[in-house]
Amino acid sequence: SYVLTQPPSVSVAPGETARIPCGGNYIGSKSVHWYQQKPGQAPVLVIYYDNDRPSGIPERFSGSTSGNTATLTISRVEAGDEADYYCQVWDSDTDHRGVFGGGTKLTVL
Amino acid sequence: QVQLVESGGGVVQPGRSLRLSCAASGFTFSAYGMHWVRQAPGKGLEWVAVMWYDGSEKYYAESVRGRFTISRDNSKNTLYLQMNSLRAEDTAVYYCATVRVGPITGGAFDMWGQGTMVTVSS
Repeated sequence: SYVLTQPPSVSVAPGETARIPCGGNYIGSKSVHWYQQKPGQAPVLVIYYDNDRPSGIPERFSGSTSGNTATLTISRVEAGDEADYYCQVWDSDTDHRGVFGGGTKLTVL
Repeated sequence: QVQLVESGGGVVQPGRSLRLSCAASGFTFSAYGMHWVRQAPGKGLEWVAVMWYDGSEKYYAESVRGRFTISRDNSKNTLYLQMNSLRAEDTAVYYCATVRVGPITGGAFDMWGQGTMVTVSS
């Protein structure tokens, strides 16, 4: 089964750039989606199809993929960006199964 | 107002059953595939199941296959999850979600409900 690997935590100072990696075999050949989840709330889509932003998501959020790693980049980090972030792909080779990474807690110092 | 509202969660003993509902409003429910995603306390997200917009196809995570059944009633704009033979490890917040852009099992979950909590405990 397909596995996505994320670091449990990333810390960054306000105004700096946060980069959250998501590793998976040949992930560059898949479409990667990213979600932000704050405590007690449902997830919110922040990046879809590798680097598209839904309306209402700041331009500070961007995504990229290369080889076996996808990366969510948050520029000029703000205190309000502190949350859990999840990457997600579809393992359509096996019964159209959705796969999430384990999640990364972004801490704004 | 576009929204998904889950209901039916609660505390249930191991081995028993529970049915969750997800009421949709503000969009053409019958045009979209629908998913269930769950999150155990303090843990990450886990995709559970999907049903095609017309009910023609459905797929499940290995962890629930054979125990859970996804269904929908397009006349009532409602998605269901019948959960049988519940186990302690099924304890989680259950979200319904939909993909409105792209393939049903290829696009991103762009709309989520607020979730309903299921606790399996004796």
